[in-house]
Amino acid sequence: GAVVSQHPSWVICKSGTSVKIECRSLDFQATTMFWYRQFPKQSLMLMATSNEGSKATYEQGVEKDKFLINHASLTLSTLTVTSAHPEDSSFYICSATEDSYEQYFGPGTRLTVT
Amino acid sequence: ILNVEQSPQSLHVQEGDSTNFTCSFPSSNFYALHWYRWETAKSPEALFVMTLNGDEKKKGRISATLNTKEGYSYLYIKGSQPEDSATYLCAFSAGNMLTFGGGTRLMVKP
Repeated sequence: GAVVSQHPSWVICKSGTSVKIECRSLDFQATTMFWYRQFPKQSLMLMATSNEGSKATYEQGVEKDKFLINHASLTLSTLTVTSAHPEDSSFYICSATEDSYEQYFGPGTRLTVT
Repeated sequence: ILNVEQSPQSLHVQEGDSTNFTCSFPSSNFYALHWYRWETAKSPEALFVMTLNGDEKKKGRISATLNTKEGYSYLYIKGSQPEDSATYLCAFSAGNMLTFGGGTRLMVKP
């Protein structure tokens, strides 16, 4: 149980385009989903926390207009990187929780912006 | 800014060796300490969630201890196997948000 999927696992896009990443909880209802980002040789850094049906809470330094998060249902959250630039190239990973205690992670998405 | 540190950053051991690594975290506002095992191209897998000072948890050959007063946790692997090769992450939570350490990358040679 407690499986989280993420799609796509790998994406290359051109500078200036937008990319949408989906995070789904497959066998449980996720009251809260989290989006993380990892730069090479660094820790997973929390970008934002989203609760179903409400606006996401962004961490300091994360541009909410650039990283649009939608959590429209208890099993799906999306992260849209708008007007992507090469510096947005990174590894993005989501997690989901149903009880705010244990987080279950997706496999991540490698984004490369050319 | 919460500081969660893991050491060593990487570790090479021979099959059959026992090993351990450390996670240090703030000792104030402690809620839980999580350990994850992360294999390449897979999702991080939850190993342990520890909440009480003095907690010891075990899962097969892997065990962990927790000292919340001094702010550290140890993860032990007994008789390492090649399939234990992965990055081991710890994460501190003061609520429902996790702050991760940089991970310890373990490589077990057959």
